[in-house]
Amino acid sequence: QVQLVESGGGVVQPGRSLRLSCAASGFTFSTYAMHWVRQAPGKGLEWVAVISYDGSNKYYADSVRGRFTISRDSSKNTLYLQMNSLRVEDTAVYYCARGRGLSTPAYWGQGTLVTVSS
Amino acid sequence: QSALTQPPSASGSPGQSVTISCTGTSSDVGGDNYVSWYQQHPGKAPKLMIYEVTKRPSGVPDRFSGSKSGNTASLTVSGLQAEDEADYYCSSFAGSNTVVFGGGTKLTVL
Repeated sequence: QVQLVESGGGVVQPGRSLRLSCAASGFTFSTYAMHWVRQAPGKGLEWVAVISYDGSNKYYADSVRGRFTISRDSSKNTLYLQMNSLRVEDTAVYYCARGRGLSTPAYWGQGTLVTVSS
Repeated sequence: QSALTQPPSASGSPGQSVTISCTGTSSDVGGDNYVSWYQQHPGKAPKLMIYEVTKRPSGVPDRFSGSKSGNTASLTVSGLQAEDEADYYCSSFAGSNTVVFGGGTKLTVL
């Protein structure tokens, strides 16, 4: 069955960096677009970024563009989110999701919590 | 990338129907047919309930249905059941190949 397992979350100081990983299994990873979506504590969902099935196209929310980088390694069936210059407002649970193309985060992992605090 | 507008809350009694709206602009909801709906129970990951305005993924009960008129999409839950109590979010494909979510609606089954 489809499984997405996020890791790499934790507590980090403002201005520092963190890299999240999402290990995929149960489907052909290299044929699906993949999304990152986050949810601040007690708040709604916020789309972060998407990468096409082959990694050739990447799109970002305005709030993270220039600071975050989405990437994938199909040899490892793993999606990444490199987060630089972290801000307090980046504190959230970060979910990876298999896409129905670029338009729709369809199947979600359980998320990993990132806390940005001094 | 402004968030789509949803009512903060909705409610209905078991067996009744409830409709949740999601209002955007001609650049997102009104611009194409890539509107989705998600259900999220407390402490759980979101689950896709409707995609491309009206389509249901395998395993989603047919009590859940979607529609769209102009810049407003809607999710209708018929025959409300206790387990339908959850937060519901809409999303839409938007400009520059981005995705925008609504603020969420808390559905209470009375």
